Amino acid sequence: SQQGEEDPQALSIQEGENATMNCSYKTSINNLQWYRQNSGRGLVHLILIRSNEREKHSGRLRVTLDTSKKSSSLLITASRAADTASYFCATGLVQKLVFGQGTRLTINP
Amino acid sequence: KAGVTQTPRYLIKTRGQQVTLSCSPISGHRSVSWYQQTPGQGLQFLFEYFSETQRNKGNFPGRFSGRQFSNSRSEMNVSTLELGDSALYLCASRLGTANTEAFFGQGTRLTVV
Repeated sequence: SQQGEEDPQALSIQEGENATMNCSYKTSINNLQWYRQNSGRGLVHLILIRSNEREKHSGRLRVTLDTSKKSSSLLITASRAADTASYFCATGLVQKLVFGQGTRLTINP
Repeated sequence: KAGVTQTPRYLIKTRGQQVTLSCSPISGHRSVSWYQQTPGQGLQFLFEYFSETQRNKGNFPGRFSGRQFSNSRSEMNVSTLELGDSALYLCASRLGTANTEAFFGQGTRLTVV
């Protein structure tokens, strides 16, 4: 079964708007990672946030982590057409990643 | 720095056959993991190798196996292919220590007919 669950499953916004995706997980974690996947290709690593961190930024990306609620969010600011992709959260307890089902993000021009 | 290389990119096999997929990790990375991605089940962990030893295994039947060589390159093998094995198989490379990100290859798209 999936450890992480992303919400929403699909999101469609206009270019330039911000996009927020949420991830909930079930068990204790060492870290949480966000990945992007373009249409059936490999996953691209976006951000890793450790369990003792609350917020992390990378360019237009902002990730928060609330271990008390077992949840994380990914914010993409000033979205671009190239951000159209599926986004996955993954938890990294032990030596494997457990992925959620992903959020399909579509940026409309 | 070269990324993770998976070969072949596409593969069509007949039910009952076997297949071997290859993954070359990033230079210096000692951990290689394999994942299966299907529309129905999403991304599922197959197994992880570190320094030629399988450290972790997912919930897949024994038809799925793997190995890692001394140069960290890894192969996975699926025997007696079934239609349901059609999927994108992704390999991920990590340094191998805790709290390090995984870098994925482009995947091998396997179609079983």
